[in-house]
Amino acid sequence: DTGVSQDPRHKITKRGQNVTFRCDPISEHNRLYWYRQTLGQGPEFLTYFQNEAQLEKSRLLSDRFSAERPKGSFSTLEIQRTEQGDSAMYLCASSLVGVTGNEDNQPQHFGDGTRLSIL
Amino acid sequence: AQSVTQPDIHITVSEGASLELRCNYSYGATPYLFWYVQSPGQGLQLLLKYFSGDTLVQGIKGFEAEFKRSQSSFNLRKPSVHWSDAAEYFCAVGGLTGGGNKLTFGTGTQLKVEL
Repeated sequence: DTGVSQDPRHKITKRGQNVTFRCDPISEHNRLYWYRQTLGQGPEFLTYFQNEAQLEKSRLLSDRFSAERPKGSFSTLEIQRTEQGDSAMYLCASSLVGVTGNEDNQPQHFGDGTRLSIL
Repeated sequence: AQSVTQPDIHITVSEGASLELRCNYSYGATPYLFWYVQSPGQGLQLLLKYFSGDTLVQGIKGFEAEFKRSQSSFNLRKPSVHWSDAAEYFCAVGGLTGGGNKLTFGTGTQLKVEL
């Protein structure tokens, strides 16, 4: 069990640039979540996938944000035309849900996050 | 809508003293409750979880939490704190509402341990 891996750990970019983050979940996990955490706050849900299907997106996820999980394994989160308010820690988590989907109670395992700073 | 309140933003305890971190939740159905710990610059590590059954749950690192439905609380406790427990602690609620168990977190409690 290598845990959830996120890359890069830190990203500094100028306002208006595009950025992309990658998350590699625990290998057998079929569910993958993205959260955003700003300073002094708890993580806030952004979106989640079951296998390759994106099943829900938060209202926090503006049109400038897009997430993919093309083969049901790793996922990418892209932010276009970054703004100052995008500065945050972006956390990825994964879990294993049963075939019937009735095991929604499986705990989520988090990566160490990508810290984004917008200059 | 589900929500979590952690009323204590900062708590300072002496090493060896007991600890209780408060968590109150609002949820329309049977909640799944979690406590996570976060060290600076790191992700979240799961301490313990409650889904059903025994309302007193044991976790890692000597932590325990008690689910009290009548008080909508899920307080975290440890009988004797170690200096390495200094970190930020988050309570979270999720559940089987068709929402994929997305978690709603509290704002966290920063724990400082005095030697």
